[in-house]
Amino acid sequence: EDQVTQSPEALRLQEGESSSLNCSYTVSGLRGLFWYRQDPGKGPEFLFTLYSAGEEKEKERLKATLTKKESFLHITAPKPEDSATYLCAVQEGGATNKLIFGTGTLLAVQP
Amino acid sequence: ETGVTQTPRHLVMGMTNKKSLKCEQHLGHNAMYWYKQSAKKPLELMFVYNFKEQTENNSVPSRFSPECPNSSHLFLHLHTLQPEDSALYLCASSQGQVGEKLFFGSGTQLSVL
Repeated sequence: EDQVTQSPEALRLQEGESSSLNCSYTVSGLRGLFWYRQDPGKGPEFLFTLYSAGEEKEKERLKATLTKKESFLHITAPKPEDSATYLCAVQEGGATNKLIFGTGTLLAVQP
Repeated sequence: ETGVTQTPRHLVMGMTNKKSLKCEQHLGHNAMYWYKQSAKKPLELMFVYNFKEQTENNSVPSRFSPECPNSSHLFLHLHTLQPEDSALYLCASSQGQVGEKLFFGSGTQLSVL
């Protein structure tokens, strides 16, 4: 069965304390891996798409990497405004845009 | 107005009520989606429409009835819901149907009493 597992479930960091979030997946053929950020009371907001192992993408303090079995979202010197739930989703090869989401990591960055 | 707009933001309904959720996208996208988000659970795809045609129904109970009159508007008609249907219902759109990033609305927080 296709699965996406995110860890940790929750993470509390001090401002400036770098860390990484993990997304491991088991799908029959990966078409793409997506990272989204979700703030309370809002819908998810797209961050990155990764398509092949070894690929990396960066945006401000965030860097996403991909291997054949997992993806990491590295957060460098986080600020309180980075506090949010980070969702990972994978799309397997096929004719539809069906995404399999993980349950997310709730990140809290304290000043 | 830009992006994906959902109304209402909050809805409380009894199990015998009939209500509708509305979604409008101003991005010129061709595909629209309904997702259900419950606490501690992954986002759950409900329906997919591509060029107004339903392309996926993810085994959703018939008490949820989608309608897509055009590529910019999507509705979710609700009737005789159960308390376990209480959740955040998210609408999303994308340019194409495969490999495209999704743009989400802010959702409708539904409570069924």
